[in-house]
Amino acid sequence: QQQVKQSPQSLIVQKGGISIINCAYENTAFDYFPWYQQFPGKGPALLIAIRPDVSEKKEGRFTISFNKSAKQFSLHIMDSQPGDSATYFCAAKGNFGNEKLTFGTGTRLTIIP
Amino acid sequence: ETGVTQTPRHLVMGMTNKKSLKCEQHLGHNAMYWYKQSAKKPLELMFVYNFKEQTENNSVPSRFSPECPNSSHLFLHLHTLQPEDSALYLCASSQAGSNSYEQYFGPGTRLTVT
Repeated sequence: QQQVKQSPQSLIVQKGGISIINCAYENTAFDYFPWYQQFPGKGPALLIAIRPDVSEKKEGRFTISFNKSAKQFSLHIMDSQPGDSATYFCAAKGNFGNEKLTFGTGTRLTIIP
Repeated sequence: ETGVTQTPRHLVMGMTNKKSLKCEQHLGHNAMYWYKQSAKKPLELMFVYNFKEQTENNSVPSRFSPECPNSSHLFLHLHTLQPEDSALYLCASSQAGSNSYEQYFGPGTRLTVT
């Protein structure tokens, strides 16, 4: 099963709050889990990524939490700012001999003052 | 120009037209991708090229025809499209085999089929 399921579809968070976006996968052959951020009129850009040998990765206000046994991973945005308003996609890459990414459906995040 | 560029940014075409989308990457990468982005759907991978050779075709209808003349340029030739083909078409590139799996995306071409 190659799908990556992402939730919620949309999220509204107050400035300064924590934004949390969740993803789940079925295929245990996935070995790389990136998050991409997309602003209107732009293509997606890599935000942060994790491999399954660690349970958490933090870069500034952005943290990925990874639960290998549950086959779930999530993006946490601390101290959310209006400039974080964008669409976020989780993705996964399998160890299939290629570098193909399977993307989630995206979460539109809006940070309100 | 830096990164990945795509032209045109917007395209309106009739179902009987023939048009082409162009992508150019200035990153020295060896792999290029075409994706289709529709509302509320995952990004759909259409084609992958590694070192100018097509390595993946995700059951894309023949009305979409890719061309990769060199590692820096990628085209998507369009003919006799359907209204459901209206979407944002994204090009991406990466350095295959580098152990960095980051894909760099262009801004996309917003295609409307009338």
